[in-house]
Amino acid sequence: GAVVSQHPSWVICKSGTSVKIECRSLDFQATTMFWYRQFPKQSLMLMATSNEGSKATYEQGVEKDKFLINHASLTLSTLTVTSAHPEDSSFYICSARARGLSTEAFFGQGTRLTVV
Amino acid sequence: SQKIEQNSEALNIQEGKTATLTCNYTNYSPAYLQWYRQDPGRGPVFLLLIRENEKEKRKERLKVTFDTTLKQSLFHITASQPADSATYLCALAGSSNTGKLIFGQGTTLQVKP
Repeated sequence: GAVVSQHPSWVICKSGTSVKIECRSLDFQATTMFWYRQFPKQSLMLMATSNEGSKATYEQGVEKDKFLINHASLTLSTLTVTSAHPEDSSFYICSARARGLSTEAFFGQGTRLTVV
Repeated sequence: SQKIEQNSEALNIQEGKTATLTCNYTNYSPAYLQWYRQDPGRGPVFLLLIRENEKEKRKERLKVTFDTTLKQSLFHITASQPADSATYLCALAGSSNTGKLIFGQGTTLQVKP
């Protein structure tokens, strides 16, 4: 089956620094990737949608200058949390949708970000 | 505004029984609905998809129903096992084919041996 790999699985960073999270589709080409964040015992909240080779579309209330998304190839999207603050601590999850498949979305294993 | 509700209280059942989880939605006309399983500290894993013109879908011990009049989906796990213990999320997708999903907050299922 389709595999989406997210790296790192967890990261601790100091307040004010930037953190990059990678999302890779290992065995398929992902024309669209989605980034979510999830707080404890809460739902996944969509942050942005990225299509390969174009700018990401951010959901309302998500700061695009703070959460930089790059989808440079059909197998890789990155999310960079810039100038991280403790309130950015969360579980970040990516999902990828393959070319030609309108309904299937495959999720990465998630990244636990802790900002201290 | 669009709203998806799942029972936030944990569901505790005995092994071998059927677990039934509910997903209700308002102000939305989804093209399809999906159910995912999420284990602690992990990303969601896709289980089943049901389209707006389908009433029921089955996969092994899993069954999903979709009532667009009631705006409700039910998710059943028959002959439940302790390994089924996890959080189950429902997610709705519109007809725009963007692939965007709106998730419910999930219901935690605990199956006791």
